[in-house]
Amino acid sequence: QKEVEQDPGPLSVPEGAIVSLNCTYSNSAFQYFMWYRQYSRKGPELLMYTYSSGNKEDGRFTAQVDKSSKYISLFIRDSQPSDSATYLCAMTTGSLLSGGSYIPTFGRGTSLIVHP
Amino acid sequence: DAGVIQSPRHEVTEMGQEVTLRCKPISGHDYLFWYRQTMMRGLELLIYFNNNVPIDDSGMPEDRFSAKMPNASFSTLKIQPSEPRDSAVYFCASSPVGEEYEQYFGPGTRLTVT
Repeated sequence: QKEVEQDPGPLSVPEGAIVSLNCTYSNSAFQYFMWYRQYSRKGPELLMYTYSSGNKEDGRFTAQVDKSSKYISLFIRDSQPSDSATYLCAMTTGSLLSGGSYIPTFGRGTSLIVHP
Repeated sequence: DAGVIQSPRHEVTEMGQEVTLRCKPISGHDYLFWYRQTMMRGLELLIYFNNNVPIDDSGMPEDRFSAKMPNASFSTLKIQPSEPRDSAVYFCASSPVGEEYEQYFGPGTRLTVT
């Protein structure tokens, strides 16, 4: 079993839909959780990061972490065709400033298609 | 700012040849990261530097891989000798101190080893 599991999709939704993207993990030591968006043939770009459990909102995006279930989610409200991309989750046990391992473990990514 | 610059964008080489990938981070960023992305393994961190010093290279797959950062504006990732299983997209990213999650990725180098 991989340390981080992510359904590769593709996930196809109509414009305006609420999208839910998810990752599960097995290492209970993970404390920092990130979501990246990657357009085709481009480098990833960070969307959000959270520390420990809870919710974080940024515009149309909401990240949720449930450490008890080892489950993280990214919600996209009012999805747009421009949101069509691959979404990668990543997590680490530490941070560069706080110490611990900063080697991130990535999910394989979920391909999202938002059609007009 | 031009962002993170990587060269070449595409590289096709034969097995056994030496390959050198280049990266110019964003000016003022203290951290530089090298990643590899494949369909089979996803995105993997290979090595990262802080102020030109390698901090953690535990992700480097084997001794055929080496990375250097001779100054704050330039880094190389070298594979010698290259093998077909090294075929992947190699990304370089940089971030400012205190914002290590705010990594700015370059466009990547697509390496094909035949």
